Amino acid sequence: AQSVTQLDSHVSVSEGTPVLLRCNYSSSYSPSLFWYVQHPNKGLQLLLKYTSAATLVKGINGFEAEFKKSETSFHLTKPSAHMSDAAEYFCVVRGNNNDMRFGAGTRLTVKP
Amino acid sequence: EAGVTQFPSHSVIEKGQTVTLRCDPISGHDNLYWYRRVMGKEIKFLLHFVKESKQDESGMPNNRFLAERTGGTYSTLKVQPAELEDSGVYFCASSQEWLATYTQYFGPGTRLTVL
Repeated sequence: AQSVTQLDSHVSVSEGTPVLLRCNYSSSYSPSLFWYVQHPNKGLQLLLKYTSAATLVKGINGFEAEFKKSETSFHLTKPSAHMSDAAEYFCVVRGNNNDMRFGAGTRLTVKP
Repeated sequence: EAGVTQFPSHSVIEKGQTVTLRCDPISGHDNLYWYRRVMGKEIKFLLHFVKESKQDESGMPNNRFLAERTGGTYSTLKVQPAELEDSGVYFCASSQEWLATYTQYFGPGTRLTVL
């Protein structure tokens, strides 16, 4: 069965410093993986997705993620955090029936 | 292009009452999904419509939940009677196709509080 585990429930960074949000996946076949972000009182917005093409996936707002099969990881990174990046981030894997299976979420705080 | 919309944004009801949530998908999207996040838990899949047909309802928690999509456009999710554990945020999503390469676009959610 497909599942994801987000390794940190909260991450706090200073503005201008790098962001790393960690996600490990479990899948019996080549997975489709996604990162979504939810800002307060907003819907879930797709940041990026991996569907077995290039292993380094670039998304919106300067985010990117690298699919590493050997480590079963799909960590989300950004070189320099901005205050507007403060939100909750979800790592997601598509399940057998095309349902989306979410991690528990990581709340990112950006300090000025 | 309008995104996925949900109504209401918030609903507060008492245990035993009935609540109906509505989702309007992106125009032209045949696939519509419901998810929910109860307090402190992950967002979980509830069900999937293709047009007006239920493709997969394996995530529906019990028979107090009824989802419909008459005419293959908007969908409603009714909870009757509501229980305390139904409190949470209910998300709707839509996609053009249901292949893995097609993105699911999510609405802002409906926050349901059952007192």
